[in-house]
Amino acid sequence: DAGVIQSPRHEVTEMGQEVTLRCKPISGHDYLFWYRQTMMRGLELLIYFNNNVPIDDSGMPEDRFSAKMPNASFSTLKIQPSEPRDSAVYFCASSLRRRDRGAFFGQGTRLTVV
Amino acid sequence: DQQVKQNSPSLSVQEGRISILNCDYTNSMFDYFLWYKKYPAEGPTFLISISSIKDKNEDGRFTVFLNKSAKHLSLHIVPSQPGDSAVYFCAARGTGNQFYFGTGTSLTVIP
Repeated sequence: DAGVIQSPRHEVTEMGQEVTLRCKPISGHDYLFWYRQTMMRGLELLIYFNNNVPIDDSGMPEDRFSAKMPNASFSTLKIQPSEPRDSAVYFCASSLRRRDRGAFFGQGTRLTVV
Repeated sequence: DQQVKQNSPSLSVQEGRISILNCDYTNSMFDYFLWYKKYPAEGPTFLISISSIKDKNEDGRFTVFLNKSAKHLSLHIVPSQPGDSAVYFCAARGTGNQFYFGTGTSLTVIP
């Protein structure tokens, strides 16, 4: 299996622009997670889905952030409008409901908003 | 509010010695605890886990200890090797199969 695939790997955008991050989870996994990594908060859970349905989006920082999972093999995280403080590495992860192995992470998208 | 905390941002250890990484949590409903390892420009990868009904789990050089009364867990690496140099994240599993992570500890193993 190719693992969790995220695109793009790097994104540089201007403040105010819309940014869309993409994720393809591991085939067969029924949970998908979006995380943001910052120095202050570490790996921060933004939202997670089960069987394509959003379960908890309480970690989404503001209404500027939205996430969708239209099918089992694709999810997007959108920021509109983007701000410099959104600059971070965003990770997507997927898992089965197997307690001992946790989630498998993609390589992340490094977002820079200038 | 951080439900999982790692209070040591960094740790340096001599090769061959023991590395001890610590983690505290606040939610007594967590039922599984995990450690992940992260190299630069890569995503975190699973290292070892422990169920809340156990107090120790060992896998080769890696051992995780859980103290439920103190809401504290630790990862021991013995002996430490230069290839162990990475950022280590502690994580806890919530009731909905979601995973909460700490801020990470950067481990440097000095040859």
